[in-house]
Parts: sequence; structure tokens; C-alpha cells
Amino acid sequence: AQSVTQLDSHVSVSEGTPVLLRCNYSSSYSPSLFWYVQHPNKGLQLLLKYTSAATLVKGINGFEAEFKKSETSFHLTKPSAHMSDAAEYFCVVSDGGNKLVFGAGTILRVKS
Amino acid sequence: DSGVTQTPKHLITATGQRVTLRCSPRSGDLSVYWYQQSLDQGLQFLIQYYNGEERAKGNILERFSAQQFPDLHSELNLSSLELGDSALYFCASSSRKSGGNTGELFFGEGSRLTVL
Repeated sequence: AQSVTQLDSHVSVSEGTPVLLRCNYSSSYSPSLFWYVQHPNKGLQLLLKYTSAATLVKGINGFEAEFKKSETSFHLTKPSAHMSDAAEYFCVVSDGGNKLVFGAGTILRVKS
Repeated sequence: DSGVTQTPKHLITATGQRVTLRCSPRSGDLSVYWYQQSLDQGLQFLIQYYNGEERAKGNILERFSAQQFPDLHSELNLSSLELGDSALYFCASSSRKSGGNTGELFFGEGSRLTVL
């Protein structure tokens, strides 16, 4: 069965500094992986997705993630945090069919 | 704005009661998914419908049921409510039958259910 582990429940950064949100996955075959973001009182929005093409994936709002098969990781990064990035971020793996398996989420706090 | 509409946004009810949550998918999307988000369980997939037919089932309790109507809107029915059913219920839509491999689901803003 597919699963994802988000290694940090909370991450706090200062505005203008880099963001790193960590995610490890478990999958019995080549997975499809995604990052979603949830702002307070809002639905989830797709940030980026990896579906076996380029291992470095660029998403919206300056975020990117790198698929590393040897490390079974799909960490989300951004060079410079903005106050508007404060939200909860979910790493997600597809079961190859209809079900997306969500990680527990990482709450990103951005300090001014 | 994702284009997915959920009503009601908030709902407070008592144990043992029954509620219906409604979802209108994005225009043209045939797949509707229901997810439950709670503090202890995180985001859990409940059920998916595609063009009116049940397509996939997740961790949905027998007390819960859903359907998708010919106009593609969907309803999630929750009955014999328990305190533990308090959660945020999300609807998402996708244009694809599986929606899995493409990963792009469009989420509504959720219906927050509080059971007292």
C-alpha cells in the first residue's frame, strides 16, 4: 500500500529565508506524487505534481520539489518565504487509481 | 476560487441526527470525491462517483452514503451521527474517471460539521 510521511508537523521560517518541507513516501511501484496547500478556511489547492517525467518539478508560487527515488523522498522547497505562504501543506501519493493518500500535513509559519 | 461549491459551510447538530451535505462540481467535471478531515485522522478518502456511478470506496462508514445526480451534483448523507463524526467534509471534482494519476483534484471549501 502507498503511504507518505511528512517529517515535520510544524515548520517556522522568517520571511525571505528558504523553505524546506520534508516528505518520504512508500510505494510498491513508481508513484505519482503531489503537494497540496490549504490556506485557513479554504479548500486544498494543487501546488505541483510528479508523474514520472522530470524529477525536479516546478509548481505555483515559486515552489518546487525533487523526486529522489534512492531516498524515497519528495521534499518541497522555496528559495524565499513570503508571508502569504503561511498555510498547511500536504504531501500526497496516488494509489495508481482513484485514491489519493494524504500525509498528515505540515503547518508552515512565516515570521516577519 | 476552485469552481467547486459546497453547502452548507457550517452545520451544528445533535447526536443521532441525520444531515445532508451538498456539492456542485466544477462545470464539466464528471468525477466527484468526498473526503473527511479531522484532527485525529487527517484527510481520509470516503467515496468517489463518476458520472452518476460509484467508482471507488474508501474509509466510509455504513452510516454514511452518497450519490451523484444526473446534473452531476453530489450529496453526502450522514446518519445516526456521533460525536466523532465532527469534522470538515470536503468535496473535490476532476474531469477524469480516475483522477488519481493526474492528481489534480479541485476542492471546495468544505462543510464543517459539529455534532454536540
